Amino acid sequence: QVELRESGPGLVKPSETLSLTCAVSGGSIISSNWWCWVRQTPEKGLEWIGEIYHSGSPNYNPSLESRVIMSVDKPKNQFSLMLHSVTAADTAVYYCARGANGHGYGLYWGQGIVVTVSS
Amino acid sequence: EIVLTQSPGTLSLSPGERATLSCRASQTVYSNFLAWYQHKPGRAPRLLVYGASTRAAGIPDRFSATGSGADFTLSISRLEPEDFAVYYCQQYYRSPNGFGQGTRLEIK
Repeated sequence: QVELRESGPGLVKPSETLSLTCAVSGGSIISSNWWCWVRQTPEKGLEWIGEIYHSGSPNYNPSLESRVIMSVDKPKNQFSLMLHSVTAADTAVYYCARGANGHGYGLYWGQGIVVTVSS
Repeated sequence: EIVLTQSPGTLSLSPGERATLSCRASQTVYSNFLAWYQHKPGRAPRLLVYGASTRAAGIPDRFSATGSGADFTLSISRLEPEDFAVYYCQQYYRSPNGFGQGTRLEIK
């Protein structure tokens, strides 16, 4: 059974960089799947941040593209999210997820991590 | 960018009733690359349907979904207490793989 687990700081100061990691167990990061990040706020609901394949080639939400970088760490079997220049609007529950059959829907999900942007 | 609009925003029903949720896309979602999720507070979203109509593993058959092109529907035939949650559709035909704004299914 594939399991995903998010980790990272729960509190980030405004204008700084949010960095999260998603550790993958029960499966390989180099499988034929997309790995993605989604966040949830009460105001917007679920928001797709972006996705990345193990070979790189990320796709980002245009609304966040100028601030987002995703990467894959094959030896550690994990992938990461960096969101620069954060504001209070980036306060959310962040989820990592994995697609299936080479598609971009979320079959497996992490439990989510609450990130608050505040000084 | 394909924008998904879900309706209604909130649906108030009683256990045992039937729920019908709609998801309309701003453009054709080719290959029916559309998924539905159930989301409860404090939990990860749960995949219900992919490919517009294929139930994910372990999803009860009271959940059914249909649609093609730009109009999609999720139905829950006989609501159980655990079905009250927020439901989202997502298209994964073309990046960005955006979600609809969600339908809140609440107990009447």
